[in-house]
Amino acid sequence: DQQVKQNSPSLSVQEGRISILNCDYTNSMFDYFLWYKKYPAEGPTFLISISSIKDKNEDGRFTVFLNKSAKHLSLHIVPSQPGDSAVYFCAAKLPGFGNEKLTFGTGTRLTIIP
Amino acid sequence: KAGVTQTPRYLIKTRGQQVTLSCSPISGHRSVSWYQQTPGQGLQFLFEYFSETQRNKGNFPGRFSGRQFSNSRSEMNVSTLELGDSALYLCASSLWDAATNEKLFFGSGTQLSVL
Repeated sequence: DQQVKQNSPSLSVQEGRISILNCDYTNSMFDYFLWYKKYPAEGPTFLISISSIKDKNEDGRFTVFLNKSAKHLSLHIVPSQPGDSAVYFCAAKLPGFGNEKLTFGTGTRLTIIP
Repeated sequence: KAGVTQTPRYLIKTRGQQVTLSCSPISGHRSVSWYQQTPGQGLQFLFEYFSETQRNKGNFPGRFSGRQFSNSRSEMNVSTLELGDSALYLCASSLWDAATNEKLFFGSGTQLSVL
């Protein structure tokens, strides 16, 4: 039972264009969402997050949108740069203590084409 | 400040053997969590340790175990290895835990191959 789904295993985008990575979830109890970025041979690093009380959060070129009614999360990267090529994981957290309450998606491999 | 350190980086074992992986968290971080990453499965939660106590455990068999020492360093052990245990094992540390929405800091992982 995959509660957090990233249905696109891979995505290719031209440099300078917008990259949109999508994430769907099934549990309406999730109250906090995060995106992590992973380069080969490195661990994931935190990118951006959003609370369920918001619908948008921006940090430089990265914007996360949350549509609670659709149970949908998206990450927009604009403009896309070659260094953005990586695997992106979305994650959703239930309220309360413990990292077992954090569920990760399966990841989307983003390739930026120069 | 040094990041999360995992050793070894690569490991090759045969079925039936056991393996121990090590993780040193960021200094001052008391929570250490372990994850298994396999292609198409994302990051699956194994267990979390906080102040030497296992806080919670994911849906993995008892062959997977761990512990945390007084200096917050953690070890993960897998006994009677199976082919399906081949994966990247990631350790993550944080000051507290996900309840405070602290972001996790991951190590580079240990790539385990079981032949």
